[in-house]
Amino acid sequence: DIQMTQSPSTLSASVGDRVTITCRASQSISSWLAWYQQKPGKAPSLLIYKASTLESGVPSRFSGSGSGTEFTLTINSLQPDDLATYYCHQYHDYSPTFGQGTKVEVK
Amino acid sequence: QVTLKESGPALVKPTQTLTLTCTFSGFSFTASGMRLSWIRQSPGKALEWLARIDGDDEKFYKTSLKTRLTISKDTSRNQVVLTMTNMDPADTATYYCSFGSYYRVWGQGALVTVSS
Repeated sequence: DIQMTQSPSTLSASVGDRVTITCRASQSISSWLAWYQQKPGKAPSLLIYKASTLESGVPSRFSGSGSGTEFTLTINSLQPDDLATYYCHQYHDYSPTFGQGTKVEVK
Repeated sequence: QVTLKESGPALVKPTQTLTLTCTFSGFSFTASGMRLSWIRQSPGKALEWLARIDGDDEKFYKTSLKTRLTISKDTSRNQVVLTMTNMDPADTATYYCSFGSYYRVWGQGALVTVSS
């Protein structure tokens, strides 16, 4: 299976900060990567697909970039509502895998 | 509008077989390109993909769990069923069904606890 490694595992930032989360794949996945936001007690919610395409209805402060094995999720101007855990997900092959998650805390 | 809802037992005993049902609406599973997956999340842990079934009835399983999982669909009832045999406390998790290659729509999840 393709391993997805996210960093950092947790981060604490202030409202208005720019936040970057990295996801690395153990082999090339082209641009077959999605990002999800999960709030406590809720199902995940799709933010980004195909590495950089913003899902409809998602605020424009979220953006994704990368291809191959290195990907980033950026939150420009962090908001209190962004308190959540974020997961990357590769869907390159028939055995999709997720990163271990990045918990974002707002100072 | 696509909606999904998981249902099944909240508690199962070790060694028992778990049967979960995902009831969906808003799409036809016979259409080309349709696919539905099961994903679980143990308490405080990451998401883990388990299995997928496509509209043409092709099926895919997580390699390490393949011997324990069976996925099937009943298009007349708009349901996809996942069975997992030989349940263990380590299988305690919230089980989600989701639609698509990347998961745009999720069910609310079904918490399954494995305990004697």
